[in-house]
Amino acid sequence: GAVVSQHPSWVICKSGTSVKIECRSLDFQATTMFWYRQFPKQSLMLMATSNEGSKATYEQGVEKDKFLINHASLTLSTLTVTSAHPEDSSFYICSAFSAGGSTDTQYFGPGTRLTVL
Amino acid sequence: KQEVTQIPAALSVPEGENLVLNCSFTDSAIYNLQWFRQDPGKGLTSLLLIQSSQREQTSGRLNASLDKSSGRSTLYIAASQPGDSATYLCAVRPHQAGTALIFGKGTTLSVSS
Repeated sequence: GAVVSQHPSWVICKSGTSVKIECRSLDFQATTMFWYRQFPKQSLMLMATSNEGSKATYEQGVEKDKFLINHASLTLSTLTVTSAHPEDSSFYICSAFSAGGSTDTQYFGPGTRLTVL
Repeated sequence: KQEVTQIPAALSVPEGENLVLNCSFTDSAIYNLQWFRQDPGKGLTSLLLIQSSQREQTSGRLNASLDKSSGRSTLYIAASQPGDSATYLCAVRPHQAGTALIFGKGTTLSVSS
């Protein structure tokens, strides 16, 4: 099956610094990637939809200037958390959409645990 | 706005029991529905995907049903095992392909030996 990787798998940073998370589709081209955030004991909440070569579409309540998304190629999307604060500590999961045949499937990355001190 | 609800939030059963996890969604105009498993601190593992035109899907000891008109899906786990302990997430894809999945909060299952 299709594989999506994320890097890093975990990161600890100081408040005020920026952190970049990479999401790669390893064996297929993903025109659309999604970024989710999951707080402890909560569900995955969609942050933004990223289409290759265009600006990301952010969900209501998600600050686009704080969570910078770049989808420069069909296999790579990046999420940069700028000026991170402790309340940004969460589990970030990306998903790459693959369309084909009679079905479509979202493939999920393994997630990145961000802890902001 | 589509909302997905899962009941119960947590479930503890002894090994060997058959069990049912419930998922409901408010807008029946969905493209498909998917069940995932999530282990603590880990990503998602897709279990079953049901297209809107289908009624059920089976994989091993798992069976998922879909009643789109009533906005409900169930995940049936037969002969539960301790290794089944995890959080099970239900997610729907609204109305068209390429849109993001909307998730429920999950059911955390604990199977004791």
